[in-house]
Amino acid sequence: DTEVTQTPKHLVMGMTNKKSLKCEQHMGHRAMYWYKQKAKKPPELMFVYSYEKLSINESVPSRFSPECPNSSLLNLHLHALQPEDSALYLCASSQEPTNYGYTFGSGTRLTVV
Amino acid sequence: TQLLEQSPQFLSIQEGENLTVYCNSSSVFSSLQWYRQEPGEGPVLLVTVVTGGEVKKLKRLTFQFGDARKDSSLHITAAQPGDTGLYLCAARRNNNDMRFGAGTRLTVKP
Repeated sequence: DTEVTQTPKHLVMGMTNKKSLKCEQHMGHRAMYWYKQKAKKPPELMFVYSYEKLSINESVPSRFSPECPNSSLLNLHLHALQPEDSALYLCASSQEPTNYGYTFGSGTRLTVV
Repeated sequence: TQLLEQSPQFLSIQEGENLTVYCNSSSVFSSLQWYRQEPGEGPVLLVTVVTGGEVKKLKRLTFQFGDARKDSSLHITAAQPGDTGLYLCAARRNNNDMRFGAGTRLTVKP
């Protein structure tokens, strides 16, 4: 298995909703990442988990809450989001440590209404 | 300040033409990656370059890492409509902190 699987593919949520994005990989990668990508822009790093511990938080607002329950799973819990949070949310994984690239999922297209 | 400066931002060419995309920085990197992204999908890794001066070929794509490991280029020979997409260079500031350049949006017209 050489894939990163993200669910759901599309999500529409209201500003008062609570939802979660899920990411799964079975490549034995011990580093996992969340990136946010707005239209016409490159992906921007949000969070990094290394061996299930949060190692980087790029000053992301607390309405985004990451969780790494085990080495194969990564969640992003969403609460009280704003319309400007609408974006493509990408999960990625890599070996740890690595000098090489990451494997990305197809993303979750999030729309906040 | 952007870690990686990528140029050009947009490129529209006819099928069969050649093109080069550049990725520059004032920082030295242990490695640099190139990704291609299609609309609604995640970036797909094309290549990693590690050694200064290294040249890697992937069919009609040629990747070069600068001697000083601060810059890289992607050259496409005889571009085809299937090459259309967003090309992103990426590198790490330190372990696990990978950042992308702004990207080059390539359109190849038949």
